Amino acid sequence: KNEVEQSPQNLTAQEGEFITINCSYSVGISALHWLQQHPGGGIVSLFMLSSGKKKHGRLIATINIQEKHSSLHITASHPRDSAVYICAVGFGNEKLTFGTGTRLTIIP
Amino acid sequence: DADVTQTPRNRITKTGKRIMLECSQTKGHDRMYWYRQDPGLGLRLIYYSFDVKDINKGEISDGYSVSRQAQAKFSLSLESAIPNQTALYFCATGSGGDYGYTFGSGTRLTVV
Repeated sequence: KNEVEQSPQNLTAQEGEFITINCSYSVGISALHWLQQHPGGGIVSLFMLSSGKKKHGRLIATINIQEKHSSLHITASHPRDSAVYICAVGFGNEKLTFGTGTRLTIIP
Repeated sequence: DADVTQTPRNRITKTGKRIMLECSQTKGHDRMYWYRQDPGLGLRLIYYSFDVKDINKGEISDGYSVSRQAQAKFSLSLESAIPNQTALYFCATGSGGDYGYTFGSGTRLTVV
């Protein structure tokens, strides 16, 4: 079974700061997902990565397959970015293993 | 309307009662999943289905059953609810390949 570790578990930052959230996993995968869970509980899929880098607005996700490591970056952070960010790994859409999440709080 | 709709959003039930959580989707995805989320733990897979005739157990299926009534509908049942089934339950859909997941808004279930 793949072990997924996220760091940090909690992160508090000032508005405008550059944010980095990390995810490491133990077994080779075909895809890694970054998800955002809002304070109300809803989950939104942000990225699905199999290699390299993806960018969507102020969010950037990178993955290093050899190092079994991925990072999620948020540029020019804003209070509305406050959420729990979850990393999940697996093969395509099948039987993902989820990390426990990073709780991000952005202070105005 | 949401792409993946879960009902109810919140439910309080008594120990021993049977309860059904429902999920419907308009994404046209073949793959549907039920996950459970507990504080401090990652989401854990209860059951998944790749089409109407294909139902598979996940890592924590004991105490749960599912029904895939149609491509768009996937229901989760707790035959006899117990307090440690108190959790946040998510339905999700996927199309395979590189297209990621779509999650429902979750059902917060409390068993007293």
